[in-house]
Amino acid sequence: EVQLLESGGGLVQPGGSLRLSCAASGFTFSSYPLSWVRQAPGRGLEWVSGISDTGRTTNYADSVKGRFTISRDNSMNTLYLQMNSLRAEDTAVYYCSAKTTVTRVPVYWGLGTLVTVSS
Amino acid sequence: DIQLTQSPSSLSASVGDRVTITCRASQGISNYLAWYQQKPGKVPKLLIYAASTLQSGVPSRFSGSGSGTDFTLTVGSLQPEDVATYYCQKYDSAPWTFGRGTKVEIK
Repeated sequence: EVQLLESGGGLVQPGGSLRLSCAASGFTFSSYPLSWVRQAPGRGLEWVSGISDTGRTTNYADSVKGRFTISRDNSMNTLYLQMNSLRAEDTAVYYCSAKTTVTRVPVYWGLGTLVTVSS
Repeated sequence: DIQLTQSPSSLSASVGDRVTITCRASQGISNYLAWYQQKPGKVPKLLIYAASTLQSGVPSRFSGSGSGTDFTLTVGSLQPEDVATYYCQKYDSAPWTFGRGTKVEIK
C-alpha cells in the first residue's frame, strides 16, 4: 500500500524557518516525480514545488521562489521542503504528492501537515 | 504564466442531475489537464487526466472533455457522495497551476 506521511509542521513566527519531510513507502520512490501542494484554511489548492525522480530538476511557484527549497533523498525514501523567510500567507496544510509515469499528475497524496505562521 | 479559470465557483443541483464544470486556460495547453475531487476534510482525489482519461476506480458517471484552452468535467448523474469541491490542474509545464475550484452541493 502506498503511504506518504508528512511531518515537520507547526507554529513559527514570521521570518522563521521550517523543514517539512515526507516519508514514503509502498512504491519505488526513486521512480516517481514528487510535488508539494498547499491549501490555506478554507481556500483552494496551490501547487508549491515539484522535483523530478532523480532530483536534478526542480520547479517552484512564484509565491515561494527564492524562499523554499525542495529536495529528496532516494536512499531514505524521503521528500523535503525547506521553508525560509516564512510569511503569514504561507499558513496552510502542506501535502506531498507523487505522480505516476502513466498519469503524469499526482495520484498519491499524504494527509498533510499544518504550517501556521504567526507572531 | 498560464492561468486557469473555473466556472461556476459553486453550484447546487438535484440528485440525478447532469452537472457540468468548465475550466478555461489563458493559453493552449493541449490536453495536459487533470481534474480532482476533494471532499470536506479529505485529501484530493484524481478523477481524470489527459483531459478525458478516467483514472482507475473512478465511477463512469464522471467524464472529461476538451483540448487547447477549453475543458469540461461532467457528472452524468449527480449522487449524494459527489458533494465536494472540484479542481482542474494544468501540467503541460511548470507552474502546475490549479483552478480556484467549484463547490458542488445537493439541492
